[in-house]
Amino acid sequence: SYVLTQSPSVSVAPGQTANISCGGHNFGGESVYWYQQRPGQAPILVVFNDNGRPSGIPERFSGSSSDNTATLTITGVEAGDEADYYCQVWDARRDQGVFGGGTKLTVL
Amino acid sequence: EVQLVESGGGLVQPGRSLRLSCEASGFTFGDFDMHWVRQVPGKGLVWVAHISWNSFTISYADFARGRFTISRDNAQNSLYLQMNSLRPEDTAFYYCAKAEYDRRGYYFDWWGQGTLVTVSS
Repeated sequence: SYVLTQSPSVSVAPGQTANISCGGHNFGGESVYWYQQRPGQAPILVVFNDNGRPSGIPERFSGSSSDNTATLTITGVEAGDEADYYCQVWDARRDQGVFGGGTKLTVL
Repeated sequence: EVQLVESGGGLVQPGRSLRLSCEASGFTFGDFDMHWVRQVPGKGLVWVAHISWNSFTISYADFARGRFTISRDNAQNSLYLQMNSLRPEDTAFYYCAKAEYDRRGYYFDWWGQGTLVTVSS
């Protein structure tokens, strides 16, 4: 079964760029989805279909993927971006969802 | 606006059962697949179960298969999760999530606020 690996934490200063990675899987031909979860709140979708954004999500959020790594990039990081971020794929062979362990983004 | 409101959580003893509900509004519920996702407080998200719009396709995480049952009532705009033989490790927030499907998989574009299930004696 798929195991998605994320770094536990990333810290960036305001205005800088945060790169949050998701690995441990060959993403070729698969979509990776990203969620933001602020403390005490439910997750929200921030990136789908590798690099699509739901309405209301700023253009500062973007996604990319290569063979074995997917990346969520947040440019011009703001204090309000401080949250946990999760990657997710769908295991079509087993018809199961798989989440990464999450990355805590700290804005310094 | 899409709203998903979970209910039915609470404190339950190990080995007992609990039924969670999720009431949907703001979209045509019967047109969309739905999922349950759980989260142990302070830990990560874990997918639990999926049900297709017409209930024809159902799938479970390995830990849920045989103990949990997902169902829906499109006439009532409601999603359910029947949880039997509960264990302390099932303690978590349970979220219902509306699904979208691109050509490569399901993702969750709307989430409820979650309901807390605590399994303890």
